Amino acid sequence: QQPVQSPQAVILREGEDAVINCSSSKALYSVHWYRQKHGEAPVFLMILLKGGEQKGHEKISASFNEKKQQSSLYLTASQLSYSGTYFCGTESERGSTLGRLYFGRGTQLTVWP
Amino acid sequence: DAGVTQSPTHLIKTRGQQVTLRCSPKSGHDTVSWYQQALGQGPQFIFQYYEEEERQRGNFPDRFSGHQFPNYSSELNVNALLLGDSALYLCASSTDRGRLRGNIQYFGAGTRLSVL
Repeated sequence: QQPVQSPQAVILREGEDAVINCSSSKALYSVHWYRQKHGEAPVFLMILLKGGEQKGHEKISASFNEKKQQSSLYLTASQLSYSGTYFCGTESERGSTLGRLYFGRGTQLTVWP
Repeated sequence: DAGVTQSPTHLIKTRGQQVTLRCSPKSGHDTVSWYQQALGQGPQFIFQYYEEEERQRGNFPDRFSGHQFPNYSSELNVNALLLGDSALYLCASSTDRGRLRGNIQYFGAGTRLSVL
């Protein structure tokens, strides 16, 4: 049930935009996005719920296509601080597994000055 | 407000030994989940504790066990360590009342376990 992330890596110049995609083969209840810098804890960015509710960071946007079980994270006007590995975590629609996150392998984002 | 804290930060063990990792959840959180993150991979779910009981379990052998205390803190125990158990072990906390409205999990910085 591990979601598939793409691309595996992105290299940007400061100010450029990027899109990271996350796709699941299972019906999803929610999609969670995290950023992890080397040696640090994954930091929560955004959660998207089935039905359209979103909670998260003001400067980061994301979408959730419930029919296709896909989510995209949009990083605009990238800053050096955006560098890190981005993970999507998916929560299955099955009630017994609510709260259990399945993570993709990550997208490594590098922003250069 | 303290976030999720884990101890120790690093640990070196040899094959066959046993290890205990500890986690204190974020203030106000009552649910603790443990994840294993191998190098270059995403976190993999080990199990989740709520009300001092294991509520869900991932695809990990019985060598991995846990416990939750009345103050909501938690321990992860791994017996008969294998080389393949070398990884970053992450603890995440959340609230049960948020479970049906999007269960935001907040992670600690993890314990880096090396098995020699």
